[in-house]
Amino acid sequence: GAVVSQHPSWVICKSGTSVKIECRSLDFQATTMFWYRQFPKQSLMLMATSNEGSKATYEQGVEKDKFLINHASLTLSTLTVTSAHPEDSSFYICSAKEGQGASQPQHFGDGTRLSIL
Amino acid sequence: GQNIDQPTEMTATEGAIVQINCTYQTSGFNGLFWYQQHAGEAPTFLSYNVLDGLEEKGRFSSFLSRSKGYSYLLLKELQMKDSASYLCAVTTNAGKSTFGDGTTLTVKP
Repeated sequence: GAVVSQHPSWVICKSGTSVKIECRSLDFQATTMFWYRQFPKQSLMLMATSNEGSKATYEQGVEKDKFLINHASLTLSTLTVTSAHPEDSSFYICSAKEGQGASQPQHFGDGTRLSIL
Repeated sequence: GQNIDQPTEMTATEGAIVQINCTYQTSGFNGLFWYQQHAGEAPTFLSYNVLDGLEEKGRFSSFLSRSKGYSYLLLKELQMKDSASYLCAVTTNAGKSTFGDGTTLTVKP
């Protein structure tokens, strides 16, 4: 089955640090990947849609200069949280779809738990 | 925008049947997904409905009524490992999915 790998799984760092999270589709090509944020006991909140070879599409209220997304290849998208602060602490999850059809489910990475001290 | 409602929590007994409901309001509806998410893990795909009716897949079934903006996930022969959060996600013609807040199911012996 389709596998999405997300790395790192856990990050603890000081305030002001920039953190990069990688999302890879291991056995399929993904022209579109999605980045979500999830707070405890809450659902997934879509942050942005990452499009291979073009700029990401950010959801309303998400700062694109704060959350930099790069989708340089058909198997890799990265999310960089720049100058992270404690309020950025959260669970970040990426997903990818194997095809373009609406019926294609999203395959999720295992998530990255980010803690900013 | 989209409005998706699911119960916050449900409890059921091992071996029983449980139905988790999801109601939604959206424009450009293009399918509804159910995902299972265990605590601290990523969601995994359970089912997809785009036409009215029931889709059965082993112990899990999902139903959709587009005219009512309503779906349910039916879990039969509950097992302890079914304790998890169940997320309803509505997809639009724009290709994006919006997730409900999830229903936390606790299965008791």
